[in-house]
This record gives sequence, structure tokens and C-alpha cells, in this order.
Amino acid sequence: KAGVTQTPRYLIKTRGQQVTLSCSPISGHRSVSWYQQTPGQGLQFLFEYFSETQRNKGNFPGRFSGRQFSNSRSEMNVSTLELGDSALYLCASSLAGEGDGYTFGSGTRLTVV
Amino acid sequence: AQSVTQLDSQVPVFEEAPVELRCNYSSSVSVYLFWYVQYPNQGLQLLLKYLSGSTLVESINGFEAEFNKSQTSFHLRKPSVHISDTAEYFCAVGSGTYKYIFGTGTRLKVLA
Repeated sequence: KAGVTQTPRYLIKTRGQQVTLSCSPISGHRSVSWYQQTPGQGLQFLFEYFSETQRNKGNFPGRFSGRQFSNSRSEMNVSTLELGDSALYLCASSLAGEGDGYTFGSGTRLTVV
Repeated sequence: AQSVTQLDSQVPVFEEAPVELRCNYSSSVSVYLFWYVQYPNQGLQLLLKYLSGSTLVESINGFEAEFNKSQTSFHLRKPSVHISDTAEYFCAVGSGTYKYIFGTGTRLKVLA
């Protein structure tokens, strides 16, 4: 079956702009998580959604937001982009949560210039 | 608060030699433990997981990890590595809060 699909794969944005990243989970998976990966900070948890409800949120500023739709697809939005937001953004899905083991997508590489 | 420590940032090893990648965690509650592998320009792939039961877990490609509660460790081992095992390996812990805490990763470099 198809894996976790993230679009776009690469993105270049200018400081101050906003961006929306998309994630389609594996069919049947209802839990979707987002992580930010940078060389300096490693993998940092952004948020997790299950059945359109946010169950946990990481320590990121309010500029980072997300949502999940009724078909489990998820989007994350970053407003007022800063240079430090340049990172690989990874989406992961599982049947119901962390105990199932998350399957990760290939990520969206965001570069802010 | 939970934390995960991967002490070795880089591990070079010759092909067909054994390897151990170390992972220690800190948590006051029961945890789930995972190892993920990341190849260049790709996402993370689940290698193996410990949820409960047998403390020794194995993956289909020859890796194994042993959960040691007293030492709070979950080291990853492989008796004989291949060039294709060159990648970055991440240890992660979950504890029922719907998120993983990841270690900083270990770059395994297999030398011919």
C-alpha cells in the first residue's frame, strides 16, 4: 500500500512569507504527527492529530499551526517565516498513536531566504 | 522529563565486522522504544520497536536491540554489517503522550 506522502518535496520561501505543507497518511491511519529536523536541534516534535483533534503540541511558537481533515490528511502552516525555520519537515502516521510505531514520509525540505 | 542519549555521533566500522550503537533513555514512566534509520535525503524508516514482552527484538535485516530496564538502555547491534547499512540511526522513546523524543542520531559509516 502507499506510504506517507508529503508535498511538496522542496520549497524555497522568503522571510516574512507563509507556507503550507501537506501530508497524506497511510490509508487507515488516523494519527498524524509532524516533526522538524535540523542539523543543530535534531528531530523536534511539532504536533500530533487524531481524528481531527490535536492531542499534543511541541514547544514551538504560535506561528506554527496544523490541522487534520476528516479523511486524516493533515496540513501544517508556518506564518511569518524566519531564516531559522529552514529545515526538513517530516510527517508520520500510525493507526492510533505512538505504540503502533510511526511511518514517516520523505519530508518537505523548506529553505527560507 | 524524558530524554534520549546517543553518546556516539559517528561510528566507523569495517564491512562484516560487528557493531553496537548505544542508546540510553531517562523516563519516570513505562516507555516504548524505537530505532529508526535515515538514508540521505529520505525520511525515517522504522527498524524495530520494543513495546512489552521479550526484551530482545529483531529486525528483518539482521539488526537486534535489547531493552535493559535496570540500565535504561536500548542498544542496537548487528553481528556483521554491510556497506548498505551506512546511514544515520535514531533512537526514540514514547510514553503515552502521543510524541516521540528522539536522540541526536549516530552516523554509521561502513568501510570496505
